Amino acid sequence: AAGVIQSPRHLIKEKRETATLKCYPIPRHDTVYWYQQGPGQDPQFLISFYEKMQSDKGSIPDRFSAQQFSDYHSELNMSSLELGDSALYFCASSISTGGNEKLFFGSGTQLSVL
Amino acid sequence: AQTVTQSQPEMSVQEAETVTLSCTYDTSESDYYLFWYKQPPSRQMILVIRQEAYKQQNATENRFSVNFQKAAKSFSLKISDSQLGDAAMYFCAYRSVTQGGSEKLVFGKGTKLTVNP
Repeated sequence: AAGVIQSPRHLIKEKRETATLKCYPIPRHDTVYWYQQGPGQDPQFLISFYEKMQSDKGSIPDRFSAQQFSDYHSELNMSSLELGDSALYFCASSISTGGNEKLFFGSGTQLSVL
Repeated sequence: AQTVTQSQPEMSVQEAETVTLSCTYDTSESDYYLFWYKQPPSRQMILVIRQEAYKQQNATENRFSVNFQKAAKSFSLKISDSQLGDAAMYFCAYRSVTQGGSEKLVFGKGTKLTVNP
């Protein structure tokens, strides 16, 4: 069965550079979530999209932006990168079926900011 | 806002023994979902078990079972016949019952489980 695909798996950037993380949800899933997990930390919710519209927002810095495209894939854009942005970024997807959805996680993108 | 607390940063268990991981949460909602996720060294987030708050019966999945105490807001995970492959970080998570893309998970800080041969 198809899973949530994230690319790239690993990304190394310098301070003040920009990064773009991509997420391809499971086919027919209409909702995408982004989470950030720092070293030794629990995942923190960043932002979600439902039917290509932003549906919820968490602790996402103003330097970050995201969108969901017509094919339902999503991109997380990160600018003016800081050392503290080094983390594992998870994408998860679900299909809205009235509150009983299961979230399926991708393998994550490990971002290292040097 | 909902919060999830895992009071055991680390736990260890002997292979084939049973271990229980604790989780408490705080919410004013009456209906919600609770989850246990496993994160092995590969860092893939794997769903272990799920509990709907409106169901009184405790969820079970093979060697994994939960003790859900709604009034006490407690949701512990029991792993029976522990195996070496169970070694991982375990996260307890809460999710509201909403629709339309707001079903974000709130995670606890995690419990690192070590399985000793």
